[in-house]
Amino acid sequence: DVKVTQSSRYLVKRTGEKVFLECVQDMDHENMFWYRQDPGLGLRLIYFSYDVKMKEKGDIPEGYSVSREKKERFSLILESASTNQTSMYLCASSLDQSQETQYFGPGTRLLVL
Amino acid sequence: EDQVTQSPEALRLQEGESSSLNCSYTVSGLRGLFWYRQDPGKGPEFLFTLYSAGEEKEKERLKATLTKKESFLHITAPKPEDSATYLCAVLHSGTYKYIFGTGTRLKVLA
Repeated sequence: DVKVTQSSRYLVKRTGEKVFLECVQDMDHENMFWYRQDPGLGLRLIYFSYDVKMKEKGDIPEGYSVSREKKERFSLILESASTNQTSMYLCASSLDQSQETQYFGPGTRLLVL
Repeated sequence: EDQVTQSPEALRLQEGESSSLNCSYTVSGLRGLFWYRQDPGKGPEFLFTLYSAGEEKEKERLKATLTKKESFLHITAPKPEDSATYLCAVLHSGTYKYIFGTGTRLKVLA
């Protein structure tokens, strides 16, 4: 079974803090993704990576950055957290272009005060 | 513009009352259509991938079908444990970006 894990289930941070969310997958997947999920808006893509050290902006990259130094790990960084970044953050991975089904982690619910 | 629309937004069924959820899509060159189940406060759980019109996939009480414009998730004789939000997503040619619908919230009453 594919396993995608996220470093925290719940996080509470202060405005202006730098926040790190980590995601690890154990199935040697090429592609990794970060989404945020908000009521009524569905899943929106923040960033994705199709290879180590490669990254592409998604639909809402402003205020975020990512890092992929190893194939299994994809980190999302909130450079200076703001209250409008309070959300559910979901990490996903997919094998490669021959098998594009995404598998999701359990999610991190982030509250920025 | 690429778009995915799911209907209804919410659905209440009695246990054993079969029904269908709809996912309509407009995308230039479908590479795959995906169904997920999401429980409150958790990440989406993969259910099915469909690649071409006419394809069908089944798993327990769920059956997914695909046409050139829409997909249906049929739920036969649902049980309360089938209560969840069901998400649909599409991937089109030449991109890594998946487009998600906003989901159908299903509640099955005992």
